[in-house]
Amino acid sequence: GENVEQHPSTLSVQEGDSAVIKCTYSDSASNYFPWYKQELGKRPQLIIDIRSNVGEKKDQRIAVTLNKTAKHFSLHITETQPEDSAVYFCAASSNNDMRFGAGTRLTVKP
Amino acid sequence: DVKVTQSSRYLVKRTGEKVFLECVQDMDHENMFWYRQDPGLGLRLIYFSYDVKMKEKGDIPEGYSVSREKKERFSLILESASTNQTSMYLCASSQTGTEETQYFGPGTRLLVL
Repeated sequence: GENVEQHPSTLSVQEGDSAVIKCTYSDSASNYFPWYKQELGKRPQLIIDIRSNVGEKKDQRIAVTLNKTAKHFSLHITETQPEDSAVYFCAASSNNDMRFGAGTRLTVKP
Repeated sequence: DVKVTQSSRYLVKRTGEKVFLECVQDMDHENMFWYRQDPGLGLRLIYFSYDVKMKEKGDIPEGYSVSREKKERFSLILESASTNQTSMYLCASSQTGTEETQYFGPGTRLLVL
């Protein structure tokens, strides 16, 4: 089955800096890669996703890149703000069978 | 807006008790999922269902069972709760087809004493 690895497990940046979280997956059939943000005490919420026919997708300060050959994808957050502090999960899915990474706790220091 | 609700935010149970966690979604989604979330382990899939009365084991089904009698409702059952089942339980639902995004409930934090 699919195995998703996520790094780093914790990340601390200064406000205004960029943050990058990386994930690798094992199942070459995976074709959908969402990213979720989970604030303390709240449910995970989708922030951006990418499909295997696309190499990069951007939404304001958030971007995701996908390298299908290498089976890795990354989340990039630019101009970080304190409200970006949360746990971020990557996931890889094939035919609705989704597996999640272990999560990255991002702390943005003001 | 997709709405996924879970019957309880917090539960305290004793070892050996039978525990029911309920999840309801209002978007007519075919697919429903139960995960447990533990620090450093992310979200681990317990069971999932692609249709009414259908269920499939996920990665960690031991000690759990599920029930999907109606499309909108997916129940997780701990037959005999144990302390190692203390965790946060998250339910999710998704639509079949190209839209695979999973929408999560608020979670149930279960403490087994």
